[in-house]
Amino acid sequence: KNQVEQSPQSLIILEGKNCTLQCNYTVSPFSNLRWYKQDTGRGPVSLTIMTFSENTKSNGRYTATLDADTKQSSLHITASQLSDSASYICVVLNGTASKLTFGTGTRLQVTL
Amino acid sequence: GAVVSQHPSRVICKSGTSVKIECRSLDFQATTMFWYRQFPKQSLMLMATSNEGSKATYEQGVEKDKFLINHASLTLSTLTVTSAHPEDSSFYICSVQDAGGKVGETQYFGPGTRLLVL
Repeated sequence: KNQVEQSPQSLIILEGKNCTLQCNYTVSPFSNLRWYKQDTGRGPVSLTIMTFSENTKSNGRYTATLDADTKQSSLHITASQLSDSASYICVVLNGTASKLTFGTGTRLQVTL
Repeated sequence: GAVVSQHPSRVICKSGTSVKIECRSLDFQATTMFWYRQFPKQSLMLMATSNEGSKATYEQGVEKDKFLINHASLTLSTLTVTSAHPEDSSFYICSVQDAGGKVGETQYFGPGTRLLVL
């Protein structure tokens, strides 16, 4: 069964600190993996998209990694800001069915 | 990224009434649009795939007669929740796919519509 699991479910950090969110998937065959940021009551916004051959991709203070062998990805947020408070969703595309499998997300809260 | 709008952003209705939600692609022509539902603290669940000029494809367990989808143009898809009940209360999100792109690579999400059925 195609699944995407994320950890932790929730996380509270102080402003300015770094954090890393994890994503493990069993989707096969793999096509690509995307990290989205979803503010409360809003639609998801894409942060990064990674294909099989990419190990690392950055978007400003966001850096995603991908290990296709272990089927793991991480999203590292550097120097967190209050506006980073949101849910971060890992999404994997099945290459055969062209279906997206969504993780349940990690809810991040950045506090003063 | 592309701009996708949804209207309304929030709607409250009485049980038994029907509610129409619009999804518009403002930047490009979208041959394919997707409708998702998201319950609190859960992931997005695909409800149906809307193809311009043809019938929508519904996911298993989604009642096509209850969730009517119309993709009348390349920039507009509508989702109508018919005879809404409190259990239909949820966050409905659409996404659009660039006609020239592959699924997942060029999919842009709308801001969502919060539906509350009393």
